[in-house]
Amino acid sequence: GQQVMQIPQYQHVQEGEDFTTYCNSSTTLSNIQWYKQRPGGHPVFLIQLVKSGEVKKQKRLTFQFGEAKKNSSLHITATQTTDVGTYFCAGRGGSDNTGGFKTIFGAGTRLFVKA
Amino acid sequence: DTEVTQTPKHLVMGMTNKKSLKCEQHMGHRAMYWYKQKAKKPPELMFVYSYEKLSINESVPSRFSPECPNSSLLNLHLHALQPEDSALYLCASSQPLAGQFFGPGTRLTVL
Repeated sequence: GQQVMQIPQYQHVQEGEDFTTYCNSSTTLSNIQWYKQRPGGHPVFLIQLVKSGEVKKQKRLTFQFGEAKKNSSLHITATQTTDVGTYFCAGRGGSDNTGGFKTIFGAGTRLFVKA
Repeated sequence: DTEVTQTPKHLVMGMTNKKSLKCEQHMGHRAMYWYKQKAKKPPELMFVYSYEKLSINESVPSRFSPECPNSSLLNLHLHALQPEDSALYLCASSQPLAGQFFGPGTRLTVL
């Protein structure tokens, strides 16, 4: 079945350093979503990418969707302590028969930021 | 109103109990989801309702029974659970093919 792999599992950074997490799917995706979950919290939707090669920015966050629609990345510039949490990518299959509702989550990358 | 609410926040139940988790959204979303999340793991899809009809059941044991009374409400009925079912149960909603809005979850402990 479809799998979504995410690396690294953990990342420790000094405040002000950059951070990147990568997501790879075993199959072509129709779209990919990114979520942030703070410790003790619930996943919060950040963004959805749909088009091949798409790049979107939200302040210090840059999201990319690969040309083949099988990989994606999230880059944070100049991390802050408020960026602490787990970042999940979540992919929807390109040709499933579930009406596009099935989302497969990557394992997540836990970001630790030292002040 | 842009939030998903879930009740209760915490639930402790014995293996012979019957309980229900509730979820509500007023964003007009037509898809609603139940996820199970264990500590330090990603959310694991259990059920999806689309336009109030069950469209996905990820081979979930029958001791979990979902119900969608209307387009704003989603329930998860629990019966004869096992200790390994202890987890955070998350409800989410979305428009078709769009990002999902998650509720705060119900932290379930099965004794």
